[in-house]
Amino acid sequence: AQSVAQPEDQVNVAEGNPLTVKCTYSVSGNPYLFWYVQYPNRGLQFLLKYITGDNLVKGSYGFEAEFNKSQTSFHLKKPSALVSDSALYFCAVRDPGNYQLIWGAGTKLIIKP
Amino acid sequence: DVKVTQSSRYLVKRTGEKVFLECVQDMDHENMFWYRQDPGLGLRLIYFSYDVKMKEKGDIPEGYSVSREKKERFSLILESASTNQTSMYLCASSLPGGSGVSYEQYFGPGTRLTVT
Repeated sequence: AQSVAQPEDQVNVAEGNPLTVKCTYSVSGNPYLFWYVQYPNRGLQFLLKYITGDNLVKGSYGFEAEFNKSQTSFHLKKPSALVSDSALYFCAVRDPGNYQLIWGAGTKLIIKP
Repeated sequence: DVKVTQSSRYLVKRTGEKVFLECVQDMDHENMFWYRQDPGLGLRLIYFSYDVKMKEKGDIPEGYSVSREKKERFSLILESASTNQTSMYLCASSLPGGSGVSYEQYFGPGTRLTVT
């Protein structure tokens, strides 16, 4: 069965430090991978996606993610965290043969000043 | 900018009532989606529509129906609301994509529905 795992319910990082939010997936074939962010009391916003090509993908607000096929992972990273990055982050995966996105449970990112 | 609007931010309904949640997008997207978001469960797809009058069931369609009479509008209907349908409901839209192409979904602000 297709699935997405975000192993950490919450990640705490000090402002200015690098951050990583983890995502692993189980999808057959070559998946399409996405990260979305949900700020408090706001709808989900698209951050970045991997479809094909370079394994390192850059997105909005200074975020990037690395696709690792052998480890079936797509971790979200940022070199220097801001307090304003505090939000709920979702990883999602799509099997190219299917229209539907499979969503992770979400990781709450807390950046402390 | 793509704009997806939902008719209500907060809604309180009684058990057994028929509930309509409306979603409108202004970017001429073919695809529209209804999800519910519950803590620890991520987003679960209720229904998907890829064209006017076309719909497909998602993972949790029981107790819900949808209507898409116009391209820009996608409605979610709770035929007889129950307390276990208390949740955040999110509407999204996207371009259709194709082989080697996958477009991101654009989300509305959500409707927090409470059924008492």
